[in-house]
Amino acid sequence: AQKVTQAQTEISVVEKEDVTLDCVYETRDTTYYLFWYKQPPSGELVFLIRRNSFDEQNEISGRYSWNFQKSTSSFNFTITASQVVDSAVYFCALSETLSSGSARQLTFGSGTQLTVLP
Amino acid sequence: EPEVTQTPSHQVTQMGQEVILRCVPISNHLYFYWYRQILGQKVEFLVSFYNNEISEKSEIFDDQFSVERPDGSNFTLKIRSTKLEDSAMYFCASTRGGITGELFFGEGSRLTVL
Repeated sequence: AQKVTQAQTEISVVEKEDVTLDCVYETRDTTYYLFWYKQPPSGELVFLIRRNSFDEQNEISGRYSWNFQKSTSSFNFTITASQVVDSAVYFCALSETLSSGSARQLTFGSGTQLTVLP
Repeated sequence: EPEVTQTPSHQVTQMGQEVILRCVPISNHLYFYWYRQILGQKVEFLVSFYNNEISEKSEIFDDQFSVERPDGSNFTLKIRSTKLEDSAMYFCASTRGGITGELFFGEGSRLTVL
């Protein structure tokens, strides 16, 4: 069965520090997708990135970067020069093809609460 | 930009009452989902819906839950007889489908069962 582990429950950093959020996953699928979502205090889920299992290139988007390593089943997320507005819960998720083949579901990790202090 | 909309944003109900949570998915999307997040916990899959029927459901989605797409635009989640442990944030999501389909989430409906 698929599983996503975010071992860091809470992280606190001071503004402008870099911070890395860890994500380790388990799946039997050869084709799968990995996601990161941000959940600010207001509660909505904000999509950050999707990465498929065949693309191990690291990705950078502004202050955000992602490191996908299939060999260690990890998909870590780094925020460079953190800001107070980055404070949120961050969820890593894994998407696999459902048994019906017609839809996919996301399995979420338990989330990492990031607090950026001014 | 198209978005998934959910109503109500917050509902308070008494245990044993029926609740209907409503969602309007993005108009050209084909797959619809409900997820649940108990306060402080992870987001959990409840059910997926495609071509007017349930594709998959989790163990959480027992007989007290049902989903419906009554009019081609709304997608509803009904909880027949609410229990205290149904208190959670319920997220609706939709996607066009296919293996590259990004899941778009609504802002959630918070259900409080007293």
